[in-house]
Amino acid sequence: NAGVTQTPKFQVLKTGQSMTLQCAQDMNHNSMYWYRQDPGMGLRLIYYSASEGTTDKGEVPNGYNVSRLNKREFSLRLESAAPSQTSVYFCASSEFKGFETYEQYFGPGTRLTVT
Amino acid sequence: KQEVTQIPAALSVPEGENLVLNCSFTDSAIYNLQWFRQDPGKGLTSLLLIQSSQREQTSGRLNASLDKSSGRSTLYIAASQPGDSATYLCAADSWGKLQFGAGTQVVVTP
Repeated sequence: NAGVTQTPKFQVLKTGQSMTLQCAQDMNHNSMYWYRQDPGMGLRLIYYSASEGTTDKGEVPNGYNVSRLNKREFSLRLESAAPSQTSVYFCASSEFKGFETYEQYFGPGTRLTVT
Repeated sequence: KQEVTQIPAALSVPEGENLVLNCSFTDSAIYNLQWFRQDPGKGLTSLLLIQSSQREQTSGRLNASLDKSSGRSTLYIAASQPGDSATYLCAADSWGKLQFGAGTQVVVTP
């Protein structure tokens, strides 16, 4: 199993450009997540999808949109990139472990720089 | 709002010493607490998950404890090795969403 995969690994954008970050998992997990990680800070949740066909905002959703294309794929779109969106973006999926417990598994990340 | 704090932010120890990493959280109504390892430029690897009904979990040289009443979790790494050098993050699961601490950067010197 590849686990959680993300493309691209690196990206440089100019302010105002748009792009989509792709994420796929092959573990048949229902829930998927997008986080961003900034220096000196922990990961912050941008959006999540509890199941195919549903999406919900996390802690920092402004400037982003998501699409849960099917059970495997969850994409994150930046419509008009801003320098404040320079960050490392992680996708994750989670496995139900019983009694309200979900263990999350992470992709390798996408390093995005907006100039 | 759940807040998660990890102290210290950085730690350097000689090889063979035991590591003690601390994690505190403000809201004790958590489902579980998860510890991750992150190597430079890499993603997160899950180390241990402690369910809210459990007090501790063990895996090899790693042991994590959870005290919900005091809002604390501790990760112990026995007999540290240079390969343990990484950033360790804890995350509290509140209502199905993870709230992360900023991490403790660990360096184990040979």
